[in-house]
Amino acid sequence: QQQVKQSPQSLIVQKGGISIINCAYENTAFDYFPWYQQFPGKGPALLIAIRPDVSEKKEGRFTISFNKSAKQFSLHIMDSQPGDSATYFCAVPNTGTASKLTFGTGTRLQVTL
Amino acid sequence: EADIYQTPRYLVIGTGKKITLECSQTMGHDKMYWYQQDPGMELHLIHYSYGVNSTEKGDLSSESTVSRIRTEHFPLTLESARPSHTSQYLCASRLGKAGNTIYFGEGSWLTVV
Repeated sequence: QQQVKQSPQSLIVQKGGISIINCAYENTAFDYFPWYQQFPGKGPALLIAIRPDVSEKKEGRFTISFNKSAKQFSLHIMDSQPGDSATYFCAVPNTGTASKLTFGTGTRLQVTL
Repeated sequence: EADIYQTPRYLVIGTGKKITLECSQTMGHDKMYWYQQDPGMELHLIHYSYGVNSTEKGDLSSESTVSRIRTEHFPLTLESARPSHTSQYLCASRLGKAGNTIYFGEGSWLTVV
């Protein structure tokens, strides 16, 4: 079974700071690598995703960096805002079938004023 | 914005009752999933479907069952609920082409007393 290690488990960042969350995997189907954002009481919402043939993707304040050789990818949130306070999950497509995702354990981000 | 709907959103039932959690999507997605998530914890895949009349067990063992008679509908049933079934159940769907993302519903919070 796919192992996905996400760190840190929780993160406190001041408003305007940079939030960095990391994800490491063992094997993958090399389809796409998404990050999901989840607010309390809601389902996870796709935040940003990257294909493995690129090393970086930026959408507004959110950037994914992908290191294929190291089997790692990370989420960077620039100019973090209190509204970014949520739980973030990385996900990795399973080997054998690209249709399933294995999720990381989640990172609870709190952005303080 | 994903068009995937779950009902009920919140349900409190007694031990031994039979319940069905409904999930519908209007996007014509062929692949659908059920994830189980305890508050603030990681998501575990319990069932998935590649298409009509195709269902398989996920990575986490579950006493629930699913059916896929129509493309847009993927209900989950517990024949006899127990307190250990108390959790959030998230339905998701995806168009089965490489690079397409998984979309989640808002979730169904089940409490068994």
